[in-house]
Amino acid sequence: EDKVVQSPLSLVVHEGDTVTLNCSYEVTNFRSLLWYKQEKKAPTFLFMLTSSGIEKKSGRLSSILDKKELFSILNITATQTGDSAIYLCAVQGGQGAQKLVFGQGTRLTINP
Amino acid sequence: DGGITQSPKYLFRKEGQNVTLSCEQNLNHDAMYWYRQDPGQGLRLIYYSQIVNDFQKGDIAEGYSVSREKKESFPLTVTSAQKNPTAFYLCASTLRWRNTEAFFGQGTRLTVV
Repeated sequence: EDKVVQSPLSLVVHEGDTVTLNCSYEVTNFRSLLWYKQEKKAPTFLFMLTSSGIEKKSGRLSSILDKKELFSILNITATQTGDSAIYLCAVQGGQGAQKLVFGQGTRLTINP
Repeated sequence: DGGITQSPKYLFRKEGQNVTLSCEQNLNHDAMYWYRQDPGQGLRLIYYSQIVNDFQKGDIAEGYSVSREKKESFPLTVTSAQKNPTAFYLCASTLRWRNTEAFFGQGTRLTVV
């Protein structure tokens, strides 16, 4: 069964802290790993990772994939209250390499 | 502008009724997906379709049905067999032959009254 597991499920930190969110997966026919941020309704896209060891970076956010150990991390440095959201990890693969499976999400709360 | 349109945004249903949620995309994407999200949770896959006239069950397909008669459209029917249908439903789509992110609609919030 294709599976994506995120940890922690919930995280509360103070503004300015650095956080690391984890995503591990067991998916056949791996194609890509995606990170999304969800604040209210539709998730917004952050990163897509397909190759091991290549860091993707956007401002204070960065992410990397390890295809040997089957996990990815999302780092957020110098956190701000606007980073408070649910962060979702998804893996595309499975039968026909088109199945898109999400993890349970990490609810991140940044306190001022 | 290209995108995914879900309708309605809010839907109220009486127990025992079937309801159909609409999802239309003009992105020329091949694959489409339906997810259910409960408060504070991640997205759980209900059904997905890779091409027209073909679809596969996800992890929580019981009590739901779909069709894919056109590339642009992937409606979801929540049947009376779904025991706890109150949830937020999201539709998404991706290209089949290129690695791109999944695009999402704005969601439908279904409430059973």
